[in-house]
Amino acid sequence: EKVMTQSPAALSVSPGERATLSCRASQSISRNLAWYQQKPGHAPRLLIYGASTRATGIPDRFSGSGSGTEFTLTISSLQSEDFAIYYCQQYNNWPLTFGGGSKVEIK
Amino acid sequence: QVHLVESGGGVVQPGGSLRLSCAASGFSFSSFGIHWVRQAPGKGLEWVAFIRYDGGIRYYADSVQGRFTLSRDNSKNTLSLQMNSLRAEDTAVYFCAKENSEEYFFDHWGQGTLVTVSS
Repeated sequence: EKVMTQSPAALSVSPGERATLSCRASQSISRNLAWYQQKPGHAPRLLIYGASTRATGIPDRFSGSGSGTEFTLTISSLQSEDFAIYYCQQYNNWPLTFGGGSKVEIK
Repeated sequence: QVHLVESGGGVVQPGGSLRLSCAASGFSFSSFGIHWVRQAPGKGLEWVAFIRYDGGIRYYADSVQGRFTLSRDNSKNTLSLQMNSLRAEDTAVYFCAKENSEEYFFDHWGQGTLVTVSS
């Protein structure tokens, strides 16, 4: 099973600032990585797939990068609606696995 | 637009059974695989199970293998998750989620249904 480790577990960021979230896979997953955003009481929403492709309707302030075992989600200028929990998910191998999440909080 | 609606959640005693349903609309249901993902209260996301577009392939997480069974009815655009021998650790919100054209990430999610296993 591929273990996905996200860091930091939480970060405080001021609106307008940049947030950088990391996701590490225990073994190479090529570029088979997705990122999701989840707000309290809501289902997750797909942000990024293929490590760097934005899903339909996702603003370009969200960007993803990386391959192999190291991946990054960057939010270039945080808006109020971006404060949420972010999860990475590998789909290179079964079982599909998620990281533990990174909570982006208002500073 | 794509719409997934889960139902069937509730409170059940340990060892009991429950059947969840997922009703789909807004896309060609018979062309896409569907997953179940769960989230225990205050915890992260856990993939649970997958069924291919034609029902011909099913995968389960080790934690539910042998206890949960996925089925689908493409004529009714519905999916069912039969959960048996339920344990306290199965308590979670269960989401059904649509695959993205045979790539195993989730491009649309339902709103979830809460399953509570408690005596």
